[in-house]
Amino acid sequence: SQTIHQWPATLVQPVGSPLSLECTVEGTSNPNLYWYRQAAGRGLQLLFYSVGIGQISSEVPQNLSASRPQDRQFILSSKKLLLSDSGFYLCAWSTEAGNQPQHFGDGTRLSIL
Amino acid sequence: GNSVTQMEGPVTLSEEAFLTINCTYTATGYPSLFWYVQYPGEGLQLLLKATKADDKGSNKGFEATYRKETTSFHLEKGSVQVSDSAVYFCALSDRRNTGFQKLVFGTGTRLLVSP
Repeated sequence: SQTIHQWPATLVQPVGSPLSLECTVEGTSNPNLYWYRQAAGRGLQLLFYSVGIGQISSEVPQNLSASRPQDRQFILSSKKLLLSDSGFYLCAWSTEAGNQPQHFGDGTRLSIL
Repeated sequence: GNSVTQMEGPVTLSEEAFLTINCTYTATGYPSLFWYVQYPGEGLQLLLKATKADDKGSNKGFEATYRKETTSFHLEKGSVQVSDSAVYFCALSDRRNTGFQKLVFGTGTRLLVSP
């Protein structure tokens, strides 16, 4: 069966520090991968998605970037964090086939001080 | 563009009460529809799905029927439990021309069930 792992589960970082969140998927190949952010008490905002290695699409302009160095690895990064980057970050995967559900990791809670 | 509208929360119920969380959508074509549940501090879990008109998705006592004529996908449960307290998200698939499928989420509805 397929599983998705995100780490770390929680992170407290100072303003201006770098960020690296990692997500890996097991049990499937060539998945579509996604990064979402969920601000406190609000819905989900799609940040990035990827349909293959090295292929990244950004949905909103922001202080973050994403990379996919391997088929089942998706990384969310920043060179300098802002206070507004605080939130709950969720990674998800889906198959290539259309109209299929996305499956989410347990999320990373990021607090910027 | 495609969109999903959910009822505002929180929805507050007593245990064993009947639950309805309304969801309506706007979409071109024939999207699939989903309900996700998020328990406190966790990621989203797929609760149920429906891929075409008149399909009924069901899981763990929850049900939702894909109503094309009313563009709705309301979530129902006959008897809620305290453990059902969570945030529920309605979503639809939005298939891009490239073949990539994006989910469009509603803003979520918080359900609070008291003993």
